[in-house]
Amino acid sequence: QKEVEQDPGPLSVPEGAIVSLNCTYSNSAFQYFMWYRQYSRKGPELLMYTYSSGNKEDGRFTAQVDKSSKYISLFIRDSQPSDSATYLCAPSEGNTGFQKLVFGTGTRLLVSP
Amino acid sequence: DSGVTQTPKHLITATGQRVTLRCSPRSGDLSVYWYQQSLDQGLQFLIQYYNGEERAKGNILERFSAQQFPDLHSELNLSSLELGDSALYFCASSARGGRAGELFFGEGSRLTVL
Repeated sequence: QKEVEQDPGPLSVPEGAIVSLNCTYSNSAFQYFMWYRQYSRKGPELLMYTYSSGNKEDGRFTAQVDKSSKYISLFIRDSQPSDSATYLCAPSEGNTGFQKLVFGTGTRLLVSP
Repeated sequence: DSGVTQTPKHLITATGQRVTLRCSPRSGDLSVYWYQQSLDQGLQFLIQYYNGEERAKGNILERFSAQQFPDLHSELNLSSLELGDSALYFCASSARGGRAGELFFGEGSRLTVL
């Protein structure tokens, strides 16, 4: 079993839809939960960062963590064609100076106009 | 633009050969990370350097090695290349005291082994 599991997609939605992207993980020591976005032919960039369980909102994006079920979600409201990218969840134990992120394989999102 | 520079962007070589990938971190960042991204495995952590010293090792093959130089740029050396080494190789850097989990990635070096 992989440490972090993510549905690879692709997930195709029309513009304006609400998108739900999900990850499950197995390591209960993870405390920090990141979502990275990767556009085609580019490096990943940090999108959202959450510590422990709960929700965090940033504009159209909401990150949700349920540590009891080891489930991570990213919601995108009013999705735009510019949101078309691969979304990688990346939890971390975060208790050392080393940013030991474990990346999921990513979910490819396609938002059509 | 993340501020992390990687060269070359593309590289095509043959099995058995050796290549060197180069990375310049963001100005002021002391940590450099190397990741390998393939379609089936996703982003796999290879190795981290902090201010010239190896800090952590991931799934790095013995045929691969890296170093970080006094000017903080880093090189990843891949030798005795195999077809399966074809992948995107990313370098990332992080700021001391920066947000946990925040890595700044370059645009990657795409290696094709024929």
